[in-house]
Amino acid sequence: AQSVSQHNHHVILSEAASLELGCNYSYGGTVNLFWYVQYPGQHLQLLLKYFSGDPLVKGIKGFEAEFIKSKFSFNLRKPSVQWSDTAEYFCAVTGSGAGSYQLTFGKGTKLSVIP
Amino acid sequence: GAVVSQHPSWVICKSGTSVKIECRSLDFQATTMFWYRQFPKQSLMLMATSNEGSKATYEQGVEKDKFLINHASLTLSTLTVTSAHPEDSSFYICSASTVNSNQPQHFGDGTRLSIL
Repeated sequence: AQSVSQHNHHVILSEAASLELGCNYSYGGTVNLFWYVQYPGQHLQLLLKYFSGDPLVKGIKGFEAEFIKSKFSFNLRKPSVQWSDTAEYFCAVTGSGAGSYQLTFGKGTKLSVIP
Repeated sequence: GAVVSQHPSWVICKSGTSVKIECRSLDFQATTMFWYRQFPKQSLMLMATSNEGSKATYEQGVEKDKFLINHASLTLSTLTVTSAHPEDSSFYICSASTVNSNQPQHFGDGTRLSIL
């Protein structure tokens, strides 16, 4: 069964600090990888996704993630966070074969950015 | 962008009652809709996958007679929690996709269900 592990439950940063949120997955096949963000009181929104090609993926709002196949990782990064990045971040994985589109989520990482 | 509307956003009801939650895709046709459940400080757990016009596929451990899912059209799926009890209190989230595995799922705002 596929699984996703997010290393940090809660990360607290000052504005302008750099961010890296860890995500490791377990899946017996080719994967599609996602990062979702949930701002307070809002629904989940897609930040970025990786299907194939360049393992460094750029998403919205200055976020990027790097797929390292050998490490089964898909860490999320941002060079300089803002107070508005305060939210919960979820890493998710699906298989890439037909019919394997069910998302498996990590437990989420809460990010608090202090002005 | 693709919008998924979920209603109601919050419901409080007495133990033993049934509660229906609606999930609508507003600007696209959702071949497949997913229902998730999220407990505090935990991840979203997939409950079931529903394809339009066919029976839902439930994940292991999810009671299909307890959580009735109907996906009668390409824009609407409903989850009915039958004879709800306090242990059913949770945050329920739907998502919709035009499905193939390369299409990201679009999420509703979720429904907070509190059973007294």
